[in-house]
Amino acid sequence: KQEVTQIPAALSVPEGENLVLNCSFTDSAIYNLQWFRQDPGKGLTSLLLIQSSQREQTSGRLNASLDKSSGRSTLYIAASQPGDSATYLCAVSSNPEYGNKLVFGAGTILRVKS
Amino acid sequence: EAQVTQNPRYLITVTGKKLTVTCSQNMNHEYMSWYRQDPGLGLRQIYYSMNVEVTDKGDVPEGYKVSRKEKRNFPLILESPSPNQTSLYFCASSSPRGPYGTQYFGPGTRLLVL
Repeated sequence: KQEVTQIPAALSVPEGENLVLNCSFTDSAIYNLQWFRQDPGKGLTSLLLIQSSQREQTSGRLNASLDKSSGRSTLYIAASQPGDSATYLCAVSSNPEYGNKLVFGAGTILRVKS
Repeated sequence: EAQVTQNPRYLITVTGKKLTVTCSQNMNHEYMSWYRQDPGLGLRQIYYSMNVEVTDKGDVPEGYKVSRKEKRNFPLILESPSPNQTSLYFCASSSPRGPYGTQYFGPGTRLLVL
């Protein structure tokens, strides 16, 4: 059974700092890995999706890497801003046959202080 | 605008009173899923659908029903709600084709069962 772990559970940093969020998964046979952002009381916004054949994806100040063999992904946020404060969720899809079922980590709560 | 919509956004009900949460997507996606999010347990898949008239159980299907009569709609039915179904519910959709299984989530429905 796939299990996803995110470290740290919470993180508080001053504005402008570069930071790394970690995600690990137990079964390396994944189809893709997706990072989401969730604001309080809101839905999930997809940030980046990495296919199992890819090593990284970039979008603006965000960079996500994937090491499938070791079961790890990192989300790098450059020059953090107060608007980046949110919960960040990592999710893996192991088999598109199950409706692209996602297995989620518990999330990292990020607070960027101005 | 590409989106997944859910209604209602907030619902308070009593034990045993049947309710339906609607979900609709305008992206012509084949795959749709329902998830529930609970503190300490994260997001878990309830049911999913691969296409019209094709549905199957996810990880926590007990107490729920779904139907997929049209491609765009995927309602979640609680025939006899119980307090342990108090949760935040998300509908999601995706395509098995491009862009590579990115999942789009609705804004969520917060349900309280008294």
